[in-house]
Amino acid sequence: GQNIDQPTEMTATEGAIVQINCTYQTSGFNGLFWYQQHAGEAPTFLSYNVLDGLEEKGRFSSFLSRSKGYSYLLLKELQMKDSASYLCALLMDSNYQLIWGAGTKLIIKP
Amino acid sequence: DGGITQSPKYLFRKEGQNVTLSCEQNLNHDAMYWYRQDPGQGLRLIYYSQIVNDFQKGDIAEGYSVSREKKESFPLTVTSAQKNPTAFYLCATRGYGYTFGSGTRLTVV
Repeated sequence: GQNIDQPTEMTATEGAIVQINCTYQTSGFNGLFWYQQHAGEAPTFLSYNVLDGLEEKGRFSSFLSRSKGYSYLLLKELQMKDSASYLCALLMDSNYQLIWGAGTKLIIKP
Repeated sequence: DGGITQSPKYLFRKEGQNVTLSCEQNLNHDAMYWYRQDPGQGLRLIYYSQIVNDFQKGDIAEGYSVSREKKESFPLTVTSAQKNPTAFYLCATRGYGYTFGSGTRLTVV
């Protein structure tokens, strides 16, 4: 199977740091995407990890460990506009299709 | 600017009616996708097309149909056979990554 698990909802405080986890049980994927989706809008690209390790891009960083079947998205200096859902997705080697997690709704409080 | 245009943004369907959702792109991407999103669930693939005049069923194709007569266009028809069509529909293309349209929210009335 290709189960992808994310927490359903998380709450954090403005200015703080939050880590959103994504675990999966699959093999044969090219890489792992993270997307941000505000309510009623299209997902927008945040990051794509192919190799193990941390990729930093401004306030957002993404980490992948293939051996542990685990990725996380780290958001620093949280702002109210970061309130959104965060989706992880695997790009499968066999057919270049994306397999999506259900997403994590992040609520930022003042 | 290159992008994907989905229309309409909101669509209401009566019971037993077919409706067509539009997806147009000017990114010159070969591959196009239709996803359905329901609350609390990941995006689910309805149909995809790797090239003009060719398309493949995704995981939940029943009750839907598509065509790909032009590279730029990949319309999705929600037929009366789809018993629970109320959802958010997203069109995407694949280049280096996946790019999404702004979505169509379909509601059965």
